[in-house]
Amino acid sequence: AQSVTQPDIHITVSEGASLELRCNYSYGATPYLFWYVQSPGQGLQLLLKYFSGDTLVQGIKGFEAEFKRSQSSFNLRKPSVHWSDAAEYFCAVGAQSIAAGNKLTFGGGTRVLVKP
Amino acid sequence: EAGVTQSPTHLIKTRGQQATLRCSPISGHTSVYWYQQALGLGLQFLLWYDEGEERNRGNFPPRFSGRQFPNYSSELNVNALELEDSALYLCASSFPGQGSEKLFFGSGTQLSVL
Repeated sequence: AQSVTQPDIHITVSEGASLELRCNYSYGATPYLFWYVQSPGQGLQLLLKYFSGDTLVQGIKGFEAEFKRSQSSFNLRKPSVHWSDAAEYFCAVGAQSIAAGNKLTFGGGTRVLVKP
Repeated sequence: EAGVTQSPTHLIKTRGQQATLRCSPISGHTSVYWYQQALGLGLQFLLWYDEGEERNRGNFPPRFSGRQFPNYSSELNVNALELEDSALYLCASSFPGQGSEKLFFGSGTQLSVL
């Protein structure tokens, strides 16, 4: 069974500081990996995704993530955080085959608070 | 281009009642997905509809059901509401064949069961 763990429930970071959000997954085959962001009262917005190839993936809003197969991790990073980055971030894993049921399994989320 | 739209934004029901949530996908998208985001339980996959058929179902009881109409819009019905059904219900859509690799989410319906 597939699962996703985000060890940090809350993270507080100062504006301008760097941010790293951790994600560990368990999946039997080669997965699709995603990071989504959810602002208060909003749906989910895709930040970036990894399917194959280069293990360092660039996304929107200055975010990047690195896939490390040996560690089953897909951590999200941003070099310099802006106040608008305050939100909840979700890591997700999905099958690379629609035949596998076409569903995403999400981690529990990390809520990011940005201090001025 | 309009995104995924969900209605109503908020819905208040009492235990035992039925709730109907609606979702209109992005134009050209044929697949619709439903996810439940409940406090303490995170985001959980509920249902996947494609071309009018239910293709996959998450680990939810049968009182959670839905359908997809010929115009690809979708309804989620929750019968015999229980307090723990209180959650944000998110709908997503995708192009044919793209699946979960490229989902577009709506803003959700907040269901409160009193």
